Amino acid sequence: NAGVTQTPKFRVLKTGQSMTLLCAQDMNHEYMYWYRQDPGMGLRLIHYSVGEGTTAKGEVPDGYNVSRLKKQNFLLGLESAAPSQTSVYFCASLSGRSDNEQFFGPGTRLTVL
Amino acid sequence: ELKVEQNPLFLSMQEGKNYTIYCNYSTTSDRLYWYRQDPGKSLESLFVLLSNGAVKQEGRLMASLDTKARLSTLHITAAVHDLSATYFCAAATQETSGSRLTFGEGTQLTVNP
Repeated sequence: NAGVTQTPKFRVLKTGQSMTLLCAQDMNHEYMYWYRQDPGMGLRLIHYSVGEGTTAKGEVPDGYNVSRLKKQNFLLGLESAAPSQTSVYFCASLSGRSDNEQFFGPGTRLTVL
Repeated sequence: ELKVEQNPLFLSMQEGKNYTIYCNYSTTSDRLYWYRQDPGKSLESLFVLLSNGAVKQEGRLMASLDTKARLSTLHITAAVHDLSATYFCAAATQETSGSRLTFGEGTQLTVNP
């Protein structure tokens, strides 16, 4: 049981480049989330999904797109990276059952030059 | 819009002492989470509090929830150096588009010998 995994772990982009971050979970969770973490600002929700084929905007969705074509995967895309998107990105999944526990992936450290 | 505030944001304490971290949230929430994060690492789930008056304990940490006051506390008993980390609380709301969490800024705890 790998839990929540993220790829890649590190990435450096130039301004204007695009990339996709992949999140995968093997716990059959309905809900999945993408957050960014910046120093002194806690975690901010970018987008989330309540099930396969559905997505919703969080607090800071601009500049990002997401897709959830399969229940176990949640992709975060940056179409044209900007230095303001330099951050640590965390994916999480939540069971939706009575325990409601949310599990986090290890994070992706992204630098945009 | 749900807002979550933690205090203090920085806490330096001596080993063996007790202290409490406070988490206030601005609107009705049906769940409250506490997480621990070590430097450069992901978030580790500590507690999920589901109802008014809920109290959970694990080792030297005890969390409680007062939904009427919109307040959760994380109490540290007889602190040890290994508890040094950043602690986050997060309140959950059920939106029409699904369940989402809003995080506090985090409390950076340093336990000194």
